[in-house]
Amino acid sequence: GDSVTQMEGPVTLSEEAFLTINCTYTATGYPSLFWYVQYPGEGLQLLLKATKADDKGSNKGFEATYRKETTSFHLEKGSVQVSDSAVYFCALSDRNTGTASKLTFGTGTRLQVTL
Amino acid sequence: NAGVTQTPKFRVLKTGQSMTLLCAQDMNHEYMYWYRQDPGMGLRLIHYSVGEGTTAKGEVPDGYNVSRLKKQNFLLGLESAAPSQTSVYFCASSYGLSGNIQYFGAGTRLSVL
Repeated sequence: GDSVTQMEGPVTLSEEAFLTINCTYTATGYPSLFWYVQYPGEGLQLLLKATKADDKGSNKGFEATYRKETTSFHLEKGSVQVSDSAVYFCALSDRNTGTASKLTFGTGTRLQVTL
Repeated sequence: NAGVTQTPKFRVLKTGQSMTLLCAQDMNHEYMYWYRQDPGMGLRLIHYSVGEGTTAKGEVPDGYNVSRLKKQNFLLGLESAAPSQTSVYFCASSYGLSGNIQYFGAGTRLSVL
């Protein structure tokens, strides 16, 4: 079945540091890939997505590129802020026609940014 | 701008008690989902619905029932709560097919003693 593996946290960085959170996936089909973010006490919200190989999703300074050859979708940001402290989830959605948009999530990576 | 609303936000149950979690969305989405979130396990799909009057099992359906009598509402029921069902429950909705964005509620924190 489909699965998503992401690096374990917590990740602690100083403000303005570079961020990478690794994510690799296994899928039987040709999935769409997502990063969701969960701020403390809130539900998940979409951060960015990519639907085909070599697509780059970007939002709020975060980027991730769909790498089919390495089955990866690593999240990066050049300069993190304290307000980026949250839990980040990598997820995939199988592309089988006619199925609901079921998401398979990674276990989440907690990011803490300090001054 | 309500989006997806879950009630209640917190609940404590004793083993064997029953309860229903309510999810309501105002985006006219066809698809709705219930997930549970446990430490170190990410989110796992419990049940989902592809439209009014339909439901289907997800990854971890045992011990839960669902109903979608109205398009905007998706109910999750626990008939006889067990400590293993202590978790944070999230409802989500989407327009539909694979690749579409899911919108999440703020969650319900449930403790079963």
